[in-house]
Amino acid sequence: EAGVVQSPRYKIIEKKQPVAFWCNPISGHNTLYWYRQNLGQGPELLIRYENEEAVDDSQLPKDRFSAERLKGVDSTLKIQPAELGDSAVYLCASSLLAGVGEQFFGPGTRLTVL
Amino acid sequence: SQQGEEDPQALSIQEGENATMNCSYKTSINNLQWYRQNSGRGLVHLILIRSNEREKHSGRLRVTLDTSKKSSSLLITASRAADTASYFCATDGETSGSRLTFGEGTQLTVNP
Repeated sequence: EAGVVQSPRYKIIEKKQPVAFWCNPISGHNTLYWYRQNLGQGPELLIRYENEEAVDDSQLPKDRFSAERLKGVDSTLKIQPAELGDSAVYLCASSLLAGVGEQFFGPGTRLTVL
Repeated sequence: SQQGEEDPQALSIQEGENATMNCSYKTSINNLQWYRQNSGRGLVHLILIRSNEREKHSGRLRVTLDTSKKSSSLLITASRAADTASYFCATDGETSGSRLTFGEGTQLTVNP
């Protein structure tokens, strides 16, 4: 069974440029999460989807971050414009049950903003 | 904001020794999970313990939960070099709903 797929694995951009990350969750998992992980810290939730609906986006900086999950399968997280402080690893995860139990994580996208 | 705090921040042991990592949290929880993260990789789920459970085992892993002290511990017995990774606790609870809140992690190094 394929795991959570993310691309790209690494991205280096200059500040004020836009960037997008893509995630394909495990087949059959209705719940999808985007996390941001700063160096030396644990992941922090940005947004959670139940199918197509964003049910928890309270920690998403909406002035520059946006996300979508069309058709309730894969998802895209966008930052526009990127700032230096956005440098981090962006992790996507999925789970079978909404908010309960094990979450399956992708390898992440390491973003460096210069 | 981080709900859990792991202790110690870093731990270095020899292969074959046991490793104990602790996690403390602030608010009431429904469940507590432990995850492992190898360098440059995503997190891998290790074990989940519910708030009404006190101890759980999985292979070489033993997790305890003390809700009165709002703390949990993860014990890895007979450690191996391959256990070298960061270990995170994550909680979900009454105030956070189904949102998982992660601690800052313990970096474990097992020397061969």
